Amino acid sequence: SQQGEEDPQALSIQEGENATMNCSYKTSINNLQWYRQNSGRGLVHLILIRSNEREKHSGRLRVTLDTSKKSSSLLITASRAADTASYFCATDEEDSNYQLIWGAGTKLIIKP
Amino acid sequence: NAGVTQTPKFQVLKTGQSMTLQCAQDMNHEYMSWYRQDPGMGLRLIHYSVGAGITDQGEVPNGYNVSRSTTEDFPLRLLSAAPSQTSVYFCASSYSVGTMEDGQFFGPGTRLTVL
Repeated sequence: SQQGEEDPQALSIQEGENATMNCSYKTSINNLQWYRQNSGRGLVHLILIRSNEREKHSGRLRVTLDTSKKSSSLLITASRAADTASYFCATDEEDSNYQLIWGAGTKLIIKP
Repeated sequence: NAGVTQTPKFQVLKTGQSMTLQCAQDMNHEYMSWYRQDPGMGLRLIHYSVGAGITDQGEVPNGYNVSRSTTEDFPLRLLSAAPSQTSVYFCASSYSVGTMEDGQFFGPGTRLTVL
């Protein structure tokens, strides 16, 4: 079953602007992870935030986690054409038995 | 390191045929998994393994078998292909088993079409 739900499904912005994607989930988690998938390729792990963390940074990426609302956001600052990709959140549920649960993804297009 | 490798990259099967998708990793990861990705959807877990000799079912295991005889290899076998198995298949691996803390490393995928 799909736990993570990304919002929006698609996002198109100008190069240089910031892009924000959101992920909601349903149950208690150990951590939440964000991945990027370029067209036709495998997924690449971007960043992981643990359930006891509220915010995490990695380069131009900023992730927040609100466990009370069961939601997370991924912010990409100063977007570049190379950021064009689909972005997925995945949750490690507390009782997941070694399974990540994936959302359907946000398709991000950066216009030059 | 080659990371996670998958073969073949593309495959066309006829209904009823069987085949094996190969996956190998050279990072000494204990955890390996197989996902399928259908258009407009996230990944769905087919089978996973927490170590050599140990496998378990994921969300959508029907029609697929796996084995894990070595740490490096985790092949996925389609028993009798059906059009509903047309999809892109990804193999992934990770260091940790307990809390999935390190993120997963993905192969490039196998695009399978069943006619």
